[in-house]
Amino acid sequence: QLQLQESGPGLVKPSETLSLTCTVSGGSVSSSGYYWGWIRQPPGKGLDWLGSIYYSGNTYYNPSLKRRVTISVDTSKNQFSLKLTSVTAADTAVYYCARQDQSILAGAVRDWFDPWGQGTLVTVSS
Amino acid sequence: QSVLTQPPSASGTPGQRITISCSGSTSNIGSNTVTWYQQLPGTAPKLLIYNDNQRPSGVPDRFSGSKSGTAASLAISGLQSEDEADYYCASWDDSLDGHVVFGGGTKLTVL
Repeated sequence: QLQLQESGPGLVKPSETLSLTCTVSGGSVSSSGYYWGWIRQPPGKGLDWLGSIYYSGNTYYNPSLKRRVTISVDTSKNQFSLKLTSVTAADTAVYYCARQDQSILAGAVRDWFDPWGQGTLVTVSS
Repeated sequence: QSVLTQPPSASGTPGQRITISCSGSTSNIGSNTVTWYQQLPGTAPKLLIYNDNQRPSGVPDRFSGSKSGTAASLAISGLQSEDEADYYCASWDDSLDGHVVFGGGTKLTVL
């Protein structure tokens, strides 16, 4: 079955760039009809969507983070990646990648994430 | 401050029926469908309800979702100890070119 796995440094210094990769197995990032997304969860807090990408490269981002977030896809490696610039302690979180199913029916957007990766903790500290 | 509003906590005893509310606005729940996720302690969130009231394969029918106007609810009947988890609602928001919004989460305790 489809599985996603996040990878990347667990520690990033303030003001530097956080970079994570999500490797997809049991399926293809080039599958039509699916976006691929990043969601994070600060320790003890709720979920925060960062952004999503389609295999064609079409992206959309959380408006509050748009200036700092870049998501890219590498179909040859079956991976998609996240870059978050100018990080601070507030960016310390567990970062999850997930497949996003999105469609429109009668004008209503139907959108959900499934499955999710296990998550990776990224700590921002000097 | 989350765009969707959930109570921070809920509780019930085994066998009881409980509901968790999720309040939004016309740009999200009022226009688009609602999704619910279950996050067991120390694990990644798992899809629980999609399209307002649809259950993925493998989710017990004790879990049900409903929506009216700009509010949604998750109901759990026949509460079990293994249902103790955090529950999040989510929806697409049409404002600002469109984006995903989550509720702040509700921690369910089974007494």
